[in-house]
Amino acid sequence: GAGVSQSPRYKVTKRGQDVALRCDPISGHVSLYWYRQALGQGPEFLTYFNYEAQQDKSGLPNDRFSAERPEGSISTLTIQRTEQRDSAMYRCASSPRQGGSEAFFGQGTRLTVV
Amino acid sequence: TQLLEQSPQFLSIQEGENLTVYCNSSSVFSSLQWYRQEPGEGPVLLVTVVTGGEVKKLKRLTFQFGDARKDSSLHITAAQPGDTGLYLCAGVTGSGNTGKLIFGQGTTLQVKP
Repeated sequence: GAGVSQSPRYKVTKRGQDVALRCDPISGHVSLYWYRQALGQGPEFLTYFNYEAQQDKSGLPNDRFSAERPEGSISTLTIQRTEQRDSAMYRCASSPRQGGSEAFFGQGTRLTVV
Repeated sequence: TQLLEQSPQFLSIQEGENLTVYCNSSSVFSSLQWYRQEPGEGPVLLVTVVTGGEVKKLKRLTFQFGDARKDSSLHITAAQPGDTGLYLCAGVTGSGNTGKLIFGQGTTLQVKP
């Protein structure tokens, strides 16, 4: 596609349920990032991939959060046993090259845990 | 942990005024990027600075990377209402193929007509 696509755009889930957030990066982009962003704040790093390899997951808050990118393209961020504090905007970005080149962001998934 | 501190966090000015946003860290970055984000959208890249002391201009916006590559500034001349938005700096940490982007907390700019 022309840009980074995230789905769903909005997700409301009950506390304790698992959710999977999907990111479809720009075709051919090597790096893929997941961030969490509070309103009016900068994106908070969660994890990133170069191709299919997860390079850094130091930003994942706890072991309920995991991410994968099995074929080096589409990525899924999974949150197990969701809690209210997980409510946030989750943003995906992709970069054409490794090493922190410019990031192209999707429109995000707004997750609300009730 | 490498942190980027942006200041000010909020700025409300009149059309035509000048302003400067600062991005500071105690860490050295291999490069630094500035993004602008509008409500409901993702951040969009404005510029990347790589060399210590580098200055780049984008119309009324001037970006500078500190000599030690630990800080950067964004100066806007004669601000316009269309400049309103969230401005974010992002530092590239690590080196080579393992570099990743870490963002500052952002500066919300409001330019009133």
